[in-house]
Amino acid sequence: RKEVEQDPGPFNVPEGATVAFNCTYSNSASQSFFWYRQDCRKEPKLLMSVYSSGNEDGRFTAQLNRASQYISLLIRDSKLSDSATYLCVVNAGNAGKSTFGDGTTLTVKP
Amino acid sequence: GAVVSQHPSWVICKSGTSVKIECRSLDFQATTMFWYRQFPKQSLMLMATSNEGSKATYEQGVEKDKFLINHASLTLSTLTVTSAHPEDSSFYICSASSGRGGGHEQFFGPGTRLTVL
Repeated sequence: RKEVEQDPGPFNVPEGATVAFNCTYSNSASQSFFWYRQDCRKEPKLLMSVYSSGNEDGRFTAQLNRASQYISLLIRDSKLSDSATYLCVVNAGNAGKSTFGDGTTLTVKP
Repeated sequence: GAVVSQHPSWVICKSGTSVKIECRSLDFQATTMFWYRQFPKQSLMLMATSNEGSKATYEQGVEKDKFLINHASLTLSTLTVTSAHPEDSSFYICSASSGRGGGHEQFFGPGTRLTVL
């Protein structure tokens, strides 16, 4: 079993749709959680950190459920520019290294 | 956010040659730098973690004699792929963090695309 697992995707949605991505992690000692966005042939860029209380940034909402070891990302009112691969990232804290999920590809169509 | 640069952005070399990739944090001191490799349509795979002034910690399965990492200063880390072979062709990405331990945001360089003929 992978340390970090994501929805396989791809997700193809029309503009304006709401889409949700899920991610599960196996290390119960994980301390920090992030969503990164990676455009084709580019480096990943931080989209948002994920906090226990849940957090929102504009059209993006991230949730963390430590009991279920589950992270989610909700995108409302999808834009064409949201098309990218979304990476779930989990950090165990001690060694500082992060484990990346395989990513979920989103394509938003007109 | 903080800026991390990588050089070169792409390189093509013959099999058997060595290639050095530089990773620089331009506007902050990077206590920790990470080197990743990404094959097409796959996620980033961590190769090694390096802290300034100490030896790099390599992930299981990564040959430290083949992938030499030097983190000589708080703003520069280098990855040298020694005696490169076609199977080493990949997208190499570094990231830098200003803190030791977990929970710190990583800032990624733009990546280096290596093609070994």
